[in-house]
Amino acid sequence: EVQLVESGGGLVQPGGSLRLSCAASGFTFTNYWMHWVRQSPGKGLVWVSRINSDGSGTTYADSVKGRFTISRDNAKNTLYLQMNSLRAEDTAVYYCARVWFGELVDYWGQGTLVTVSS
Amino acid sequence: EVVLTQSPGTLSLSPGERATLSCRASQSVGSSYLAWYQQKPGQAPRLLIYGASTRATGIPDRFSVSGSGTDFTLTISRLEPEDFAVYYCHQYGSSPFTFGPGTKVDIK
Repeated sequence: EVQLVESGGGLVQPGGSLRLSCAASGFTFTNYWMHWVRQSPGKGLVWVSRINSDGSGTTYADSVKGRFTISRDNAKNTLYLQMNSLRAEDTAVYYCARVWFGELVDYWGQGTLVTVSS
Repeated sequence: EVVLTQSPGTLSLSPGERATLSCRASQSVGSSYLAWYQQKPGQAPRLLIYGASTRATGIPDRFSVSGSGTDFTLTISRLEPEDFAVYYCHQYGSSPFTFGPGTKVDIK
């Protein structure tokens, strides 16, 4: 069974940093590209970033470019999102998601809540 | 950036009724790169349909999609109690990958 379990969310002050993790199991992690998608409270889904299977290629939404870094450790079956210079508008549930083919996401984790507030 | 617009924002229907949800793109989306997700409160999104019209594993055939180019329609032929949720369309053909704002289907 495919499982994606996010962790690392919490309350952080504006300008602060957090690193999210996503532990993957039930599939061969090294074969799949991965995405981060976020959802502000009561709002819709917004794509944040993606990484290819060996970590050599990354893409970011303009809203997070230069502040967030996506990475992965294939030996640990774990995806990361380093978030720096956090702003109030980054407050959201962050989901990691598996890319099935093309850029189609098929499985999502349950998400981790990041709250940016003083 | 491809902007997706969904209508209506909320659809209030009774079990057994037909639901028709619209997704419109600001520019043409290749049919192979349009997907629909269902999300229930407190849950992660669930893939329903991809490649414009292919149902994901385990999705019942009461869910169907029509359309191409910039206009797509998700139809739920007869609403079951478990279908009341928010539905998002999503284009994954070009970065940045975008989602529509969602249509909430709630019980009338």
